[in-house]
Amino acid sequence: DSGVTQTPKHLITATGQRVTLRCSPRSGDLSVYWYQQSLDQGLQFLIQYYNGEERAKGNILERFSAQQFPDLHSELNLSSLELGDSALYFCASSNTPTGGGEQYFGPGTRLTVT
Amino acid sequence: LAKTTQPISMDSYEGQEVNITCSHNNIATNDYITWYQQFPSQGPRFIIQGYKTKVTNEVASLFIPADRKSSTLSLPRVSLSDTAVYYCLVGDPFNFGNEKLTFGTGTRLTIIP
Repeated sequence: DSGVTQTPKHLITATGQRVTLRCSPRSGDLSVYWYQQSLDQGLQFLIQYYNGEERAKGNILERFSAQQFPDLHSELNLSSLELGDSALYFCASSNTPTGGGEQYFGPGTRLTVT
Repeated sequence: LAKTTQPISMDSYEGQEVNITCSHNNIATNDYITWYQQFPSQGPRFIIQGYKTKVTNEVASLFIPADRKSSTLSLPRVSLSDTAVYYCLVGDPFNFGNEKLTFGTGTRLTIIP
């Protein structure tokens, strides 16, 4: 158990809809990272927050947004969903300011868009 | 973050030592090298991190030559449960920059009975 929790575990929704994925980092970790992993693909970095502020951005679509709250949990919002958004979404946290430190990953949320 | 290159796949027999090498020619002075293991449909798991020379923990060793342009993850006496994808990631843990976290495709290790 990495100490990172993600909800929900599974999500099935229709095209055009909007969903919110939630992540709680390990106790004390200020950095939260979001990744997308499509079937048999590598991990695609989406975005990082550090202590409530956006710190790094990857190939995140404009339809996607995220935020980190004062209690350090984070939410990833996906809107106008398309079939291609079906993937595993992972959240990770670290006690370092950047992703070059040890990251601890959650179990992921499997999103299926039908 | 420094770009990394790893073999796409490797096969090994149970009980053998497996060495997976990662090339990172443009590693920066403050960069560390971190390895992760990922099983299907699970989040990656931190294995080991190092800066130079050799680091060992209960599951693996990490060898880093003096020029730090490559690193080798060594898994002793592998078992079937070590079948997974292994990622090498290089970056500065402490200083903000224009990070683009790139795990790449990793190395798919298959252990043969």
